[in-house]
Amino acid sequence: DTAVSQTPKYLVTQMGNDKSIKCEQNLGHDTMYWYKQDSKKFLKIMFSYNNKELIINETVPNRFSPKSPDKAHLNLHINSLELGDSAVYFCASSLDRGRQPQHFGDGTRLSIL
Amino acid sequence: QQQVKQSPQSLIVQKGGIPIINCAYENTAFDYFPWYQQFPGKGPALLIAIRPDVSEKKEGRFTISFNKSAKQFSLHIMDSQPGDSATYFCAASGGTGGFKTIFGAGTRLFVKA
Repeated sequence: DTAVSQTPKYLVTQMGNDKSIKCEQNLGHDTMYWYKQDSKKFLKIMFSYNNKELIINETVPNRFSPKSPDKAHLNLHINSLELGDSAVYFCASSLDRGRQPQHFGDGTRLSIL
Repeated sequence: QQQVKQSPQSLIVQKGGIPIINCAYENTAFDYFPWYQQFPGKGPALLIAIRPDVSEKKEGRFTISFNKSAKQFSLHIMDSQPGDSATYFCAASGGTGGFKTIFGAGTRLFVKA
């Protein structure tokens, strides 16, 4: 039983397209996150939701829009994809906000042609 | 002030050796320091974590040493095995930005058989 699952695992698309990544957790956690990992493996927080409320919104282009329909799901929609958006995007969850271990999905590798 | 500096960038050890990965932080309000292990194609997974009220924590072959006055902490892997080859991330959270976890840049460890 996968704790944090993301779909799709791979996404290859053209510049200018719009795409979505879905994330679901079955751990009963209140807090979910989106991270971007670049080619040098650097992990950067993008967004975090706690019980469907946005609590972290880093300096991310407004082409990126997260949506949390319920506390078990956090989706990421990206408009007008650019070459620099190529990265691995990780979803994670934790019991609640703050000083808690985070459980990560296996990532979505986004490649922009 | 929100950065976590991690070194070295990469590390190669012989099987049975003791690799040591170091991290330093500036924000004295941080109060939770996890380490994550990431294998290729997978998301980071929590390995071990420490809070600043203790100076050392051991879990199996993994030990965190914590020096509050120096604002440094390190991961030691005893009797390292080829299966430990992975990327290791230190992280910190707490304080006024308590919801956010700041990750170090990662250390790629290779354990030779």
